[in-house]
Amino acid sequence: DSGVTQTPKHLITATGQRVTLRCSPRSGDLSVYWYQQSLDQGLQFLIHYYNGEERAKGNILERFSAQQFPDLHSELNLSSLELGDSALYFCASSVAQATGELFFGEGSRLTVL
Amino acid sequence: GDSVTQMEGPVTLSEEAFLTINCTYTATGYPSLFWYVQYPGEGLQLLLKATKADDKGSNKGFEATYRKETTSFHLEKGSVQVSDSAVYFCALSDPGSNYQLIWGAGTKLIIKP
Repeated sequence: DSGVTQTPKHLITATGQRVTLRCSPRSGDLSVYWYQQSLDQGLQFLIHYYNGEERAKGNILERFSAQQFPDLHSELNLSSLELGDSALYFCASSVAQATGELFFGEGSRLTVL
Repeated sequence: GDSVTQMEGPVTLSEEAFLTINCTYTATGYPSLFWYVQYPGEGLQLLLKATKADDKGSNKGFEATYRKETTSFHLEKGSVQVSDSAVYFCALSDPGSNYQLIWGAGTKLIIKP
């Protein structure tokens, strides 16, 4: 158990819909990262927050947005969903913002029909 | 920019065989290097790391040595088990990438009894 909690674990929705994925980082961790993992296993960095502020953006679509709240939990909002958005979405956390030692949640599997 | 190249998978071995998964990198600075492992149905977890040249990271029987002269960080294990079946990701963290992890594509390892 990494200490990172993601909900929901599974989500099935239709094209055009909007979903919110939630992440609670490990106790004490200030950094939260969001990743997308496609079926071919590739890992795509989406966005990084540190103590409530956006620190880095990867290849995140404009239809996607995220935020980190004062209690340090984070949400990833995916809107106008397309079939290609079906993937595993991972949240990871770390104590600092300049470290490669991340702790990953078990992921949220999104299926868009 | 920084990049990480891993050998393509899947890699299929018999139990007790010797394992090598190749990883080479390109970086502008002096990166830290990581191996993460993803077991089926789980999130990624840090397997081992090395922060400077000639450092050897080790964990659970796996080893990798930071070779600056060949810009490599190959993962090795002397005798694999069925339970080692997983996807292995090589990654680097570098000032040139603003300390965001740069990931390899992942290598799927299948161990047959």
